[in-house]
Amino acid sequence: QPVLTQPPSVSGAPGQRVTISCTGSGSNIGAGYDVHWHQQLPGAAPKLLIYGNNNRPSGVPDRFSGSKSGTSASLAITGLQAEDEADYYCQSYDSSLSGVLFGGGTKVTVL
Amino acid sequence: QVQLQESGPGLVKPSETLSLTCTVSGASISNMNYYWGWVRQPPGMGLEWIGNVHYSGSTYYNPSLSSRVSISIDTSENQFSLQLTSVTASDTAVYYCARRTTPFDYWGQGTLVTVSA
Repeated sequence: QPVLTQPPSVSGAPGQRVTISCTGSGSNIGAGYDVHWHQQLPGAAPKLLIYGNNNRPSGVPDRFSGSKSGTSASLAITGLQAEDEADYYCQSYDSSLSGVLFGGGTKVTVL
Repeated sequence: QVQLQESGPGLVKPSETLSLTCTVSGASISNMNYYWGWVRQPPGMGLEWIGNVHYSGSTYYNPSLSSRVSISIDTSENQFSLQLTSVTASDTAVYYCARRTTPFDYWGQGTLVTVSA
């Protein structure tokens, strides 16, 4: 069963930089499929944060950035703010699943 | 502005069928560039892809649910629907409908469905 692995939690002080990893395999990220990131604020629906590995939809602050290399991808948040406290999910396509795969999610805590 | 809204019963009995509808506004469900999907989130847990439908009628399901899932599309009402048969308590979750280009770019607000007698 294919999986995208994320750390359960990361934390940082206001103003710091945090990164969230998303590790896949040769049937998803490693096969060249794009990685997307979603932010889920407490009690809310997910919201698209990064698409196509490193692109921000209109309205998303440039504090958020994405990257991809090999079988992994990362989301970076620079200048961490209290409002960034949320769950973050990576998303990709998996050829063995023939469908969408989500990472397990990472909770970001602002200290 | 693209908006999606889920509707349907919030309580379903074990072994029965869960049925939800997603009404889309601000975008045509017949646009060939989009897929329309369902994602669920059990309480306190992560996101699970259920399946997608295209206006052509093509469907794609998560293999772990494919024997119990059906997603259909109604272009005249600009809606698409989810049916999940033989539900158990493990199907209790918030169910989201969403538009998919490559990422899911627009999401509904979600609806909690509880499976309980």
